[in-house]
Amino acid sequence: EVVLTQSPATLSLSPGDRVTLSCRASQSISSDLAWYQQKPGQAPRLLIYDASNRATGIPARFSGGGSGTDFTLTISSLEAEDFGIFYCQQRSIWPPTFGAGTRVEI
Amino acid sequence: EVQLVESGGGSVQPGGSLRLSCAASGFRFSDSWMHWVRQAPGKGLMWVSRIDRDGTATTYADSVKGRFTISRDNANNTLYLQMNSLRVEDTAVYYCTRDRLTSPFLGYLPENWFDPWGQGTLVTVSS
Repeated sequence: EVVLTQSPATLSLSPGDRVTLSCRASQSISSDLAWYQQKPGQAPRLLIYDASNRATGIPARFSGGGSGTDFTLTISSLEAEDFGIFYCQQRSIWPPTFGAGTRVEI
Repeated sequence: EVQLVESGGGSVQPGGSLRLSCAASGFRFSDSWMHWVRQAPGKGLMWVSRIDRDGTATTYADSVKGRFTISRDNANNTLYLQMNSLRVEDTAVYYCTRDRLTSPFLGYLPENWFDPWGQGTLVTVSS
């Protein structure tokens, strides 16, 4: 099973900040990585798939990068609505697995 | 509007059973691979099970294999998860989610990206 390690665990930021979240895989997963955002009391929402493709309706301030074992999610200019827990997920090696998440506090 | 609405959660004693349902609308359910993902209270996400478009191919996480059964009714646009021999560690919010893309074409393989998600239903296993 692929283990995804996310860092940092928590970030406290201000609107307008640029933020980069990290996700490291325990073995190479090519570009088979997605990012989700989950707000309190809500279901997760797909942000990025295939490492760098934005899902439908996701603002351009969200971008993803990386391949192999190291991946990033960047929010170019943080908005107040961007709080929550961000999870990465891999599909390269069965079963699909998720990271433990990074909490972003505004 | 694409919508997934789960139901059937509740409290059950260890060893008991529950059946979750997920009503789908706003898209061609019969063209969609479907998944269940769960989240223990205050914890992260864990993929549970997947079913293909016509219900003939199913896969499970090792921790639920032999105890949970995923199924679907395409005539009624509904996904199910039958959970037997429940354990305390099965306590979680269970989300129904669709594979990102849908396709009617023979041989189409799922992406295993999850979008959209239902609101979830809470299963509590406790004595």
